[in-house]
Amino acid sequence: DIQMTQSPSTLSVSVGDRVTITCRASQSISIWLAWYQQKPGKAPKLLIQKASDLESGAPSRFSGRGSGTEFTLTISSLQPDDFAAYYCQQYNTYPYTFGQGTKLEIK
Amino acid sequence: QVQLVQSGAEVKKAGASVKVSCRTSGYTFTDYYMHWVRQAPGEGLEWMGWINPNSGGTNYAQKFQGRVTMTRDTSISTAYMELSSLTSDDTAVYYCARDSYRGHSYSWAFDYWGQGTLVTVSS
Repeated sequence: DIQMTQSPSTLSVSVGDRVTITCRASQSISIWLAWYQQKPGKAPKLLIQKASDLESGAPSRFSGRGSGTEFTLTISSLQPDDFAAYYCQQYNTYPYTFGQGTKLEIK
Repeated sequence: QVQLVQSGAEVKKAGASVKVSCRTSGYTFTDYYMHWVRQAPGEGLEWMGWINPNSGGTNYAQKFQGRVTMTRDTSISTAYMELSSLTSDDTAVYYCARDSYRGHSYSWAFDYWGQGTLVTVSS
């Protein structure tokens, strides 16, 4: 199985900060990577797929980059609504696998 | 608007089976794969497999092979996930999630999700 490793696991941040989360795959997944946001008690919400394609309705402050094995999710200016957990997911190879998650906490 | 509405919480004894439903609306049910993903309390997300609602074909994660069965009823645009031989490790929220690719040649990321169904397994 392809292992997805996110860093950091937790990030203490403030409103207005620029935030970058990294996701590394144990083998190449080309661009077949998605980012999800999940708030407590809610289902995940798709933000980005194909590594950098922003989903319709997702705020433009979210952006994704990368290919192969290394990917990043950047929030350009953190808003109060962005405090949540973020997961990367590869959909290049079965079984699809997720990173362990990154939780954004209020500093 | 696209909606995926799941059945309610379940409490099961170890060794039993559970069947979760996912009723869809707002799109053509047979046009998109439906995935199932679970999340144990306080843990990350785990993909279980997909069903092609058009053909009934399935693709299960090897971890769940032999224990999971995904089915559908096209007459009511509903997908089902049944998990058998439950243990306490199966206690989790189970989600259905629609594939974002329209068609059956590829599988992409998951663009619409159900609200989740909590399955609690007690010994």
